[in-house]
Amino acid sequence: GNSVTQMEGPVTLSEEAFLTINCTYTATGYPSLFWYVQYPGEGLQLLLKATKADDKGSNKGFEATYRKETTSFHLEKGSVQVSDSAVYFCAHRLIQGAQKLVFGQGTRLTINP
Amino acid sequence: DSGVTQTPKHLITATGQRVTLRCSPRSGDLSVYWYQQSLDQGLQFLIQYYNGEERAKGNILERFSAQQFPDLHSELNLSSLELGDSALYFCASSGAQGRTGELFFGEGSRLTVL
Repeated sequence: GNSVTQMEGPVTLSEEAFLTINCTYTATGYPSLFWYVQYPGEGLQLLLKATKADDKGSNKGFEATYRKETTSFHLEKGSVQVSDSAVYFCAHRLIQGAQKLVFGQGTRLTINP
Repeated sequence: DSGVTQTPKHLITATGQRVTLRCSPRSGDLSVYWYQQSLDQGLQFLIQYYNGEERAKGNILERFSAQQFPDLHSELNLSSLELGDSALYFCASSGAQGRTGELFFGEGSRLTVL
């Protein structure tokens, strides 16, 4: 089936630490891949995306590379800030068929000053 | 502000009752999606409408139903409520057939069933 598996949280880091949140997927076909972020009390918002193999999505210092060979889309940031504290969701969407996004379980990230 | 409006923001009700959640999509968006977010199940896709017609159905219970009206707003009806229905219900919208894959989410309606 089509699914997304994320690194379990919660993840707690100190400010300026390096962040990796792992994400792998299973899909029939070649999906587009996304990271969404949910700040406290808000809805989800798109952080970055990649639509084909080897594409790199980037935004606000975050990056993720679409790795077809390992079916992964790990999220990284070189130096996190307190304001990055949020829940991060990996998701995929198949090109054909329904337009729905399939989300991972979410990873809660807390950054301490 | 995503441009997606959901009401009510919070709702507390009793088991066996029925509630209606409302969603107004971003101006011009034809697709509306409903998701349920609970602690144990994560973010689960419920149903999608495109320009008034059901497009895809996910893990939506038979006790739940939805519709999209001619003005493109959508309602999610939850009936015979159970304790386990307590969750955050998100509505999202996207442009023409959502080809970019980006969904714009509302702030959610938090339902508590006592």
